[in-house]
Amino acid sequence: DQQVKQNSPSLSVQEGRISILNCDYTNSMFDYFLWYKKYPAEGPTFLISISSIKDKNEDGRFTVFLNKSAKHLSLHIVPSQPGDSAVYFCAAGQGQAGTALIFGKGTTLSVSS
Amino acid sequence: DGGITQSPKYLFRKEGQNVTLSCEQNLNHDAMYWYRQDPGQGLRLIYYSQIVNDFQKGDIAEGYSVSREKKESFPLTVTSAQKNPTAFYLCASKLGNGANVLTFGAGSRLTVL
Repeated sequence: DQQVKQNSPSLSVQEGRISILNCDYTNSMFDYFLWYKKYPAEGPTFLISISSIKDKNEDGRFTVFLNKSAKHLSLHIVPSQPGDSAVYFCAAGQGQAGTALIFGKGTTLSVSS
Repeated sequence: DGGITQSPKYLFRKEGQNVTLSCEQNLNHDAMYWYRQDPGQGLRLIYYSQIVNDFQKGDIAEGYSVSREKKESFPLTVTSAQKNPTAFYLCASKLGNGANVLTFGAGSRLTVL
């Protein structure tokens, strides 16, 4: 059973509009969440994270929202740019437990100009 | 510049052969990880190591082996027992317990002919 779920395999948006990528999790012990961006044949690169004690974290065009009661988080990209086209992975972990990050299956974002 | 180096980038092997993927980091990170990426499957954990001479199985460890003789190095051997070895393999590291962000290498693409 998947502990981290990204139910939308793909998302298409126009340049300048908002991209919203969603992620759901089942394990209430997760205490931090991360988003990674990945281009084909490359390693994922860290984008933004959020601790479970917060409900929002913002970094430039990227904002992550966390709804603990719903076990749901989302990544907002505003405005979207063609260079944002990539696969986005949601990941969750337990900071002090020493366990590895659990990743979702990813959402492929396509931004058209 | 500090980072994670994975080699080789591309590797072809015949069925029945063992192959070892190299992962070296100069970030002075304590923990190292191996993930596998398949289309539509996201990143799945193979093995991880939190300290030298110690490692734990991940979700899909069957058919793989690892060693952690040095802090900087965490090689992964894909054995002939791995039934579907063709995949993109990603090595990652992080500072240790309490650190949240994984840094990834560029990946190794293994193709079994």
